[in-house]
Amino acid sequence: RKEVEQDPGPFNVPEGATVAFNCTYSNSASQSFFWYRQDCRKEPKLLMSVYSSGNEDGRFTAQLNRASQYISLLIRDSKLSDSATYLCVVSPGRRALTFGSGTRLQVQP
Amino acid sequence: EAGVVQSPRYKIIEKKQPVAFWCNPISGHNTLYWYLQNLGQGPELLIRYENEEAVDDSQLPKDRFSAERLKGVDSTLKIQPAELGDSAVYLCASSASGRETQYFGPGTRLLVL
Repeated sequence: RKEVEQDPGPFNVPEGATVAFNCTYSNSASQSFFWYRQDCRKEPKLLMSVYSSGNEDGRFTAQLNRASQYISLLIRDSKLSDSATYLCVVSPGRRALTFGSGTRLQVQP
Repeated sequence: EAGVVQSPRYKIIEKKQPVAFWCNPISGHNTLYWYLQNLGQGPELLIRYENEEAVDDSQLPKDRFSAERLKGVDSTLKIQPAELGDSAVYLCASSASGRETQYFGPGTRLLVL
């Protein structure tokens, strides 16, 4: 079993749609949680950190459920430019990051 | 501010040949990471440096892979000899002391024939 599991997709959605991605993690000692975005043939870039209280950044909302070891990312009003692979990332601390395999999003006009 | 710099961007070699990748982290970042990313997968950590000390190299295949970070700045990752299965993207990342956010370089795409 992988430490971080994600649905690989692809999720094909029309512009303006709301889409949600989930991931689960196996290490209950994980302390920090992130979503990274990776465009095709580019490097991963931090999208947002994820906190237990939930956090929002513009059209993006991230949620963490420690009891269920579950992380989510909600994108509202999808734009063509949101098309990318979204990587769920957890860390047990000590700055070690464990990446999921990513969920691919394709926003269509 | 300049980002993480990696070279070369692409490398094609024949199996059993040696290959080396170079990384220059963001200025002032003490922590440097090398990751391997296979197609359709997330990055996997190979080695992490705090300044010039390798503090986590448990996932580095030491029979053929080696790395160094002289003077705690630039780093080199070497594979000798390369195998077909080493074809992947090799990513370098850095982070500032006490901060978790990692900044990635553009990666080196390796193809072993």
